[in-house]
Amino acid sequence: DVKVTQSSRYLVKRTGEKVFLECVQDMDHENMFWYRQDPGLGLRLIYFSYDVKMKEKGDIPEGYSVSREKKERFSLILESASTNQTSMYLCASIPLDRGRRETQYFGPGTRLLVL
Amino acid sequence: SQQGEEDPQALSIQEGENATMNCSYKTSINNLQWYRQNSGRGLVHLILIRSNEREKHSGRLRVTLDTSKKSSSLLITASRAADTASYFCATVPGGGRRALTFGSGTRLQVQP
Repeated sequence: DVKVTQSSRYLVKRTGEKVFLECVQDMDHENMFWYRQDPGLGLRLIYFSYDVKMKEKGDIPEGYSVSREKKERFSLILESASTNQTSMYLCASIPLDRGRRETQYFGPGTRLLVL
Repeated sequence: SQQGEEDPQALSIQEGENATMNCSYKTSINNLQWYRQNSGRGLVHLILIRSNEREKHSGRLRVTLDTSKKSSSLLITASRAADTASYFCATVPGGGRRALTFGSGTRLQVQP
């Protein structure tokens, strides 16, 4: 079974702090994604990566950056956390599948509170 | 607004009843997927239907897709208390982008 893990289930940070959210997958997937989930808004794509050192902006990249130095690890960085970044963050991965099944595998999520 | 919009936002039924959730989307798609999320957890993939398919079954799940109306429905038959969760539709657009676009979800409560 594919396993996607996230470094923390719950995180509390202060405004202005630099925050790292880590995601690791164990199935050699090329594609990895970061979403945030807010009530009434569903999941919104922040950034995604097609391969090592490659990244692309999603729909709401402002205030975030990412790092993909190794294939299995995709990090989301909040350079200077703000209260409006309080949210549930979900990481997902998918293999480079020529059959284009497109099914994403999700981590358990990190609930971030910025005070 | 979201690419995928689920309807209703919340649904409460008795165990044994059927639950139907609807999803509408705006742009052309490669496929549409349904995911389930238990409270405070990650999402789990349920079923995928391609743009050239009209109906698909998986156990107690039945998904339909009407590309002319840009809509899909998820039917859960003979619901159980364990089906209580949020359900999201997600679309993969045509044109190569592989990231999913999610709707805001339907919160299903199945009363025992």
